[in-house]
Amino acid sequence: DGGITQSPKYLFRKEGQNVTLSCEQNLNHDAMYWYRQDPGQGLRLIYYSQIVNDFQKGDIAEGYSVSREKKESFPLTVTSAQKNPTAFYLCASISRQGGLYGYTFGSGTRLTVV
Amino acid sequence: AQSVTQPDIHITVSEGASLELRCNYSYGATPYLFWYVQSPGQGLQLLLKYFSGDTLVQGIKGFEAEFKRSQSSFNLRKPSVHWSDAAEYFCAVGARYNTDKLIFGTGTRLQVFP
Repeated sequence: DGGITQSPKYLFRKEGQNVTLSCEQNLNHDAMYWYRQDPGQGLRLIYYSQIVNDFQKGDIAEGYSVSREKKESFPLTVTSAQKNPTAFYLCASISRQGGLYGYTFGSGTRLTVV
Repeated sequence: AQSVTQPDIHITVSEGASLELRCNYSYGATPYLFWYVQSPGQGLQLLLKYFSGDTLVQGIKGFEAEFKRSQSSFNLRKPSVHWSDAAEYFCAVGARYNTDKLIFGTGTRLQVFP
């Protein structure tokens, strides 16, 4: 079945470390997104990519980086510059065909700073 | 400014009772509206979406939502709640044909008592 796979499900980061969250989709979707979820704050957009080799900053991009070398993959790196990285991270993708879009979400990665 | 407001942070209902979750939006263009549901530790699942036409939209799991342009609202309803409906519900708004991002509300947590 087609879908979005996020890994790992749980991730622990030490202070000063960079960590990379994986997001892979086999839906042949064009656009991919990374959201951060904190309790009581809903979802906030970190980065998004509409096509391969191109991406744009969202509302809270500071301390994060991404790449889009393949249509299927959109990894997110949480750098040491992100001062409060503990959160639940969600990857999503959509097909842009026809304008009748709806996000498909992965099951998320919970990142904790230790 | 574009925004989505879900005024109820937490709602508790008895199993079998009716449910209405409120969503109000502020959006300059013609809105494209969504309701998503999230179980603990999971990604978001699309319940229903509205982009044009009949203002009463049917979704999965027996949910429906009504778009009221004059009130800038898109409330989610279910006639009889089941214990398995306990989850967090998110309303979101986007622009048709513009997939840059969706704007999410802060969510409503639904608790169901037997």
